[in-house]
Amino acid sequence: DAGITQSPRYKITETGRQVTLMCHQTWSHSYMFWYRQDLGHGLRLIYYSAAADITDKGEVPDGYVVSRSKTENFPLTLESATRSQTSVYFCASNAGGGGTQETQYFGPGTRLLVL
Amino acid sequence: AQSVAQPEDQVNVAEGNPLTVKCTYSVSGNPYLFWYVQYPNRGLQFLLKYITGDNLVKGSYGFEAEFNKSQTSFHLKKPSALVSDSALYFCAVRALMFSGGYNKLIFGAGTRLAVHP
Repeated sequence: DAGITQSPRYKITETGRQVTLMCHQTWSHSYMFWYRQDLGHGLRLIYYSAAADITDKGEVPDGYVVSRSKTENFPLTLESATRSQTSVYFCASNAGGGGTQETQYFGPGTRLLVL
Repeated sequence: AQSVAQPEDQVNVAEGNPLTVKCTYSVSGNPYLFWYVQYPNRGLQFLLKYITGDNLVKGSYGFEAEFNKSQTSFHLKKPSALVSDSALYFCAVRALMFSGGYNKLIFGAGTRLAVHP
């Protein structure tokens, strides 16, 4: 059971380039989330999705685009990468529906460096 | 505003001694509270949660947490620390989204636990 995976694990890109980070989960969870982790800021929510074709903004959505055409995939795209987007990105998912299903499970992360 | 506070950036403890990592919260409605651990270059791993019921929650790797409603706290504890417990620990609380009623997790800034031999 692979759970939740992210690719690539490491990425170096240049300012202005488009970058897509992939997230795949095998649990058929309804909800998926993208966070970024930065020193001094902890984890901040970028976007989330409640189901296929349903997405919404989190705390820091500017400069990012998401899509969710299939339940198991939730790619995050940086349309024109900036140095301020250098960060570690985590994807997470949960089943939703309240109670114990609220627990979020995280992928291993993608470390992105924008030069 | 809904929030989570972890007042200590770092906690140092000797191996074999008890450890406590503090967390306080402010949230509307009944709190759903979580602890996660992050080892270097890894994702966050779920440790334990409080949804309802017994105020003392037991989780993975011998960790437990005590929910205190009057003090709005959810401190993480372990009776006897191991060097391998050294990691970054995050407290989180569920909060309702601003639109659509979807729930999100608000994370604390994290506390680095260092267990010395």
